[in-house]
Parts: sequence; structure tokens; C-alpha cells
Amino acid sequence: QKEVEQDPGPLSVPEGAIVSLNCTYSNSAFQYFMWYRQYSRKGPELLMYTYSSGNKEDGRFTAQVDKSSKYISLFIRDSQPSDSATYLCAMITGNQFYFGTGTSLTVIP
Amino acid sequence: DAGVIQSPRHEVTEMGQEVTLRCKPISGHNSLFWYRQTMMRGLELLIYFNNNVPIDDSGMPEDRFSAKMPNASFSTLKIQPSEPRDSAVYFCASSLWDQPQHFGDGTRLSIL
Repeated sequence: QKEVEQDPGPLSVPEGAIVSLNCTYSNSAFQYFMWYRQYSRKGPELLMYTYSSGNKEDGRFTAQVDKSSKYISLFIRDSQPSDSATYLCAMITGNQFYFGTGTSLTVIP
Repeated sequence: DAGVIQSPRHEVTEMGQEVTLRCKPISGHNSLFWYRQTMMRGLELLIYFNNNVPIDDSGMPEDRFSAKMPNASFSTLKIQPSEPRDSAVYFCASSLWDQPQHFGDGTRLSIL
């Protein structure tokens, strides 16, 4: 079993839709939970991070962590074509870093 | 603020040649990471340094790969000799201890 599991998609939604991206993990010692956005031919860009269970909101983006279920989500409200990218979840415990394989999202105008 | 800077952005070379990838981390960050990204395997951690010291190189594929960090502002990843299966995008990232990492825009490597 991989430490972090992420559905690769691809996911295609119409502009304005609410998008839900998810990852599951197996290591209960993970301390930091992050979402990165990666545009084509660019490096991953840190979008959001949190270190506790619950929700964290930033504009149209909401990161949710459920440590009891070992499940994290990223919600994008009012999705825009500029949100089209690959989204990677990532987790850290101590010196151990784990990335999901990424979910490819396309927002259709 | 300057982010992580990688060079070159693109490298095309023939099999058997030596390849050197370079990285300048964000000033003040003390951890540096080298990753390789392919469609098949996603993002793979190759090696990381804390305070210029290699901590974990278990992800380095084989002896053809080596990485150095002579000072806090510079690191190299070398492949010698290169092989076609090394073709990938190589990313460098830096962070302050175990805080989230910040990535460069990568080096797209093609070995013919």
C-alpha cells in the first residue's frame, strides 16, 4: 500500500462548478498536509497547507483534513479555466515527505 | 522574492554524456531536495540535504547519479554516464526545516 493515494483523473468540469480533489493516506504520524498546483512545464506551486484537522479557507479554495479517516480534500468553488492544472497532495512527518501522483483538472469555459 | 532557481531549463544530450543540473535554493532555507518527475512514476524524491549535509539518498537510482551541496546557496545533480531512461523533468526544492517545500521550474532532460 502506498503511503499516499490520489486518483489521477483526469477530471473535467464546466466553468463555475465546484471541484473536489481527494487523497487518502496510511501513516497516522503525518503532521503537515499540503496541496500543490502544477501548471504545464512549471514546478509545483504551494497552494495551501495545514497541520491540523478541520478546514482552512483561502479565497475560492478550501482545504479539509480528517485525521480520523486519514483523508484530505481540496475544494475549489466557482472554478475558472485558469484553475486547469495538476493538483498534488503532499504530507510531511519529521524528515519524511510524501507526494500523491497528482490529479489532472481541466475547467471548460 | 527570488524563488528556487534551476539551470538549465532544458538539456538535450546523447547517451553516455555527463549531465550536470544546478540549483540555487531560496535564501535562508536550510533543506534542499532533488526530485525526478515522469508520467509513469510521478514525483520521486532522489536525495535531500539539511544544512548542506546529505540526509537521505535512498532514492538515487544508481551510482551513475551523484549530488553535492558545497554551500548553502548551491547544489548540483550529476548523471554520468547518462542513459535514455534518465529522460525526465528534474526539480529542485527548498524549505526551512520540515516546513512546506518550494519548487523551481525544473530542468527538462532528454537523453538521445
